[in-house]
Amino acid sequence: EAQVTQNPRYLITVTGKKLTVTCSQNMNHEYMSWYRQDPGLGLRQIYYSMNVEVTDKGDVPEGYKVSRKEKRNFPLILESPSPNQTSLYFCASTSNRKQYFGPGTRLTVT
Amino acid sequence: AQSVTQPDIHITVSEGASLELRCNYSYGATPYLFWYVQSPGQGLQLLLKYFSGDTLVQGIKGFEAEFKRSQSSFNLRKPSVHWSDAAEYFCAVGGALFTGTASKLTFGTGTRLQVTL
Repeated sequence: EAQVTQNPRYLITVTGKKLTVTCSQNMNHEYMSWYRQDPGLGLRQIYYSMNVEVTDKGDVPEGYKVSRKEKRNFPLILESPSPNQTSLYFCASTSNRKQYFGPGTRLTVT
Repeated sequence: AQSVTQPDIHITVSEGASLELRCNYSYGATPYLFWYVQSPGQGLQLLLKYFSGDTLVQGIKGFEAEFKRSQSSFNLRKPSVHWSDAAEYFCAVGGALFTGTASKLTFGTGTRLQVTL
């Protein structure tokens, strides 16, 4: 079954404590991306990756890092989380025909 | 810079009535345009996409959208709404997503659709 998995699904953390949200796809897609969703702001792209070791900034990359060492994985790293990064995060994986979203990770930074 | 405007935050329609959700975009080149739906408990799903060619594109669940370059619009339509269409809808613009090249994707702020019985 084609799927995009994200872990954790829910996370409450404190300001400044480094965290990683993992994203993994089983479809051998080259294109992967991260989005955050906030009320009234819709979805905003954080980073995207066209292939292994190829990443680029989306509309809101500040405060985030990504890496793409393997095709299937695209982790989102928050080196020093702040309360304004409290949000719902989605990972997506795209082929030349279809796009699959992960179930989302709800992050709260206190 | 690319941008998307969805002027309607919330729309209510009766079941069986027609629907049109508005989307206006700004993009410096030929746009690639998308509509997504987010239903409670269903996650995000791509409804349809426009790359080139016929300006009227068909999507899943009976939705269609029309690209109008002169108006910088890509409005979503459905002839007869079902109660299950109640959800939030997002328009997006980007480069060559789905065509094998990298692309930044910019979303609108969404339109929440309520369907009354």
